[in-house]
Amino acid sequence: GAVVSQHPSWVICKSGTSVKIECRSLDFQATTMFWYRQFPKQSLMLMATSNEGSKATYEQGVEKDKFLINHASLTLSTLTVTSAHPEDSSFYICSARLTGQGGGNTIYFGEGSWLTVV
Amino acid sequence: QKEVEQDPGPLSVPEGAIVSLNCTYSNSAFQYFMWYRQYSRKGPELLMYTYSSGNKEDGRFTAQVDKSSKYISLFIRDSQPSDSATYLCAMNSGNTPLVFGKGTRLSVIA
Repeated sequence: GAVVSQHPSWVICKSGTSVKIECRSLDFQATTMFWYRQFPKQSLMLMATSNEGSKATYEQGVEKDKFLINHASLTLSTLTVTSAHPEDSSFYICSARLTGQGGGNTIYFGEGSWLTVV
Repeated sequence: QKEVEQDPGPLSVPEGAIVSLNCTYSNSAFQYFMWYRQYSRKGPELLMYTYSSGNKEDGRFTAQVDKSSKYISLFIRDSQPSDSATYLCAMNSGNTPLVFGKGTRLSVIA
């Protein structure tokens, strides 16, 4: 299947600093990428939909000024957690949509990034 | 009623058993149905992708979609300990974000 790469796999940062997570589609172009957050033993929670060349669409309750999303190219989207606090510690996962012929779509996920804010 | 319902388990089976996982949904607009496998501390891995109703088979895995009943299933034949993971059903209506079930935790005991 298609490959989505996420970096870094894990990061520890100090409270108050900002952290950037990258999501790359390695072998296909993705006009749409998605960012999720997942707490232990829970399902994925959609944070925002990232569209190449336009502003991201955030889900209700997600602070767009805190979770900055940039999708400047067809293969790269970034999530920046600004002024991180311990409650932002979580598993962040991106996914990218591969649009097939006939309008079909399959969505591939990255390996995820573990963020720990101390 | 939640859009997608999935029994969280846990489900424990002996090695070699046939595993049946399923989800129900309420939105008749859903057309694309996927099953993901997620190992602990890893991102979800796409297992099966089905468009509309029907069956799809890939090795030991079979996905079934019954749109009339709003019911989808994933069968795993000859289950192995390496199949132990959380299985997530997901679906959407096209250019919309996926809607996930809560995931079913599966343990295959050797």
